[in-house]
Amino acid sequence: DAGVIQSPRHEVTEMGQEVTLRCKPISGHNSLFWYRQTMMRGLELLIYFNNNVPIDDSGMPEDRFSAKMPNASFSTLKIQPSEPRDSAVYFCASSPPNGRGEKLFFGSGTQLSVL
Amino acid sequence: AQSVAQPEDQVNVAEGNPLTVKCTYSVSGNPYLFWYVQYPNRGLQFLLKYITGDNLVKGSYGFEAEFNKSQTSFHLKKPSALVSDSALYFCAVNTNAGKSTFGDGTTLTVKP
Repeated sequence: DAGVIQSPRHEVTEMGQEVTLRCKPISGHNSLFWYRQTMMRGLELLIYFNNNVPIDDSGMPEDRFSAKMPNASFSTLKIQPSEPRDSAVYFCASSPPNGRGEKLFFGSGTQLSVL
Repeated sequence: AQSVAQPEDQVNVAEGNPLTVKCTYSVSGNPYLFWYVQYPNRGLQFLLKYITGDNLVKGSYGFEAEFNKSQTSFHLKKPSALVSDSALYFCAVNTNAGKSTFGDGTTLTVKP
């Protein structure tokens, strides 16, 4: 298995532009998580899906952020419009069924820089 | 609400010496506890977990962790540190729904 695949690895954009981050979870995993990592705030959970349905989006910072999971093998995190304070590493993670006792499998992340 | 605390931002040890990275937790009910490691420019990787049973859990790369219910702690340990163990370590606790709450991370530096 190739693991969790994220694209792009690096994204540099200008303030006000739309940014779309992509994630392909591991086949057979039914939970998907989007995290953001910064030096100041550490690792923050933005949103997570279970069986393609958003379960908890309380970590999404504001309406500029949105996430979708149209099917079991693909998810997107969109920022529109982007701002410099959105600069961070964004991680996608997935986990298999059986919930609470399962570990997370992380992708390599997308390094986002908003100028 | 559940929470995890890693009281040390940084831990420095000499190669060959034992290491401990501390973690305490707060959760209602039985805790499901995890340790992850992050190397530069990589995602987090699972090291070990405690669900139930033996309080001493063994994981990848020679790491182990000791669950202590009375002290609400889950410290990560290794008897003999390697330079290659230098990385960022995260403790996490899971909810019933499988949602993970992470600590702020501890940077481990092992010097030759």
